Amino acid sequence: NAGVTQTPKFRVLKTGQSMTLLCAQDMNHEYMYWYRQDPGMGLRLIHYSVGEGTTAKGEVPDGYNVSRLKKQNFLLGLESAAPSQTSVYFCASSYAGRTSYEQYFGPGTRLTVT
Amino acid sequence: GENVEQHPSTLSVQEGDSAVIKCTYSDSASNYFPWYKQELGKGPQLIIDIRSNVGEKKDQRIAVTLNKTAKHFSLHITETQPEDSAVYFCAVAGNQFYFGTGTSLTVIP
Repeated sequence: NAGVTQTPKFRVLKTGQSMTLLCAQDMNHEYMYWYRQDPGMGLRLIHYSVGEGTTAKGEVPDGYNVSRLKKQNFLLGLESAAPSQTSVYFCASSYAGRTSYEQYFGPGTRLTVT
Repeated sequence: GENVEQHPSTLSVQEGDSAVIKCTYSDSASNYFPWYKQELGKGPQLIIDIRSNVGEKKDQRIAVTLNKTAKHFSLHITETQPEDSAVYFCAVAGNQFYFGTGTSLTVIP
């Protein structure tokens, strides 16, 4: 099993450009999450999904959109990138019961917005 | 939302010594408290977790203690080894996951 994979690994965007980060998991997990990690701030939840076709806002959702069209994929979109969105983005997945089960993390995507 | 504080932010210990990292939280309804280890360039990985109905849990050299009354929990690593060097995050889960700001642990050979 590959576990949780993220595409791309690195990306540089100019302010105002758009992009989509792709997360895929092969563990048949119901729940999926997107986090951002900034120095000194730990991981902060952006959006999450409790199943195919459903999404919900996390702690810092502004400027991002997500979609969960297939159970194994969770997409994070930036419609108009801003320098404040420079960060490392992590996707995670877990079995149902998001607050009670281990989250499995992907390797991260390092995004720089200039 | 939840307020999770983690201390210390950096910690250096000699190989073989113990390391202790502490987290406090604010929401008394939180019921799941995992600890994650993050190595350079990788995603976090769960190393131990504890639920609100348990006071202590141990797994070989790693243990976690929880004091629900005081709203704090701690990670204890005994007989530290160089491969324990990493960033450690606590997390608190109620309606959502909230992570601490991380502790960079360095084990000096």
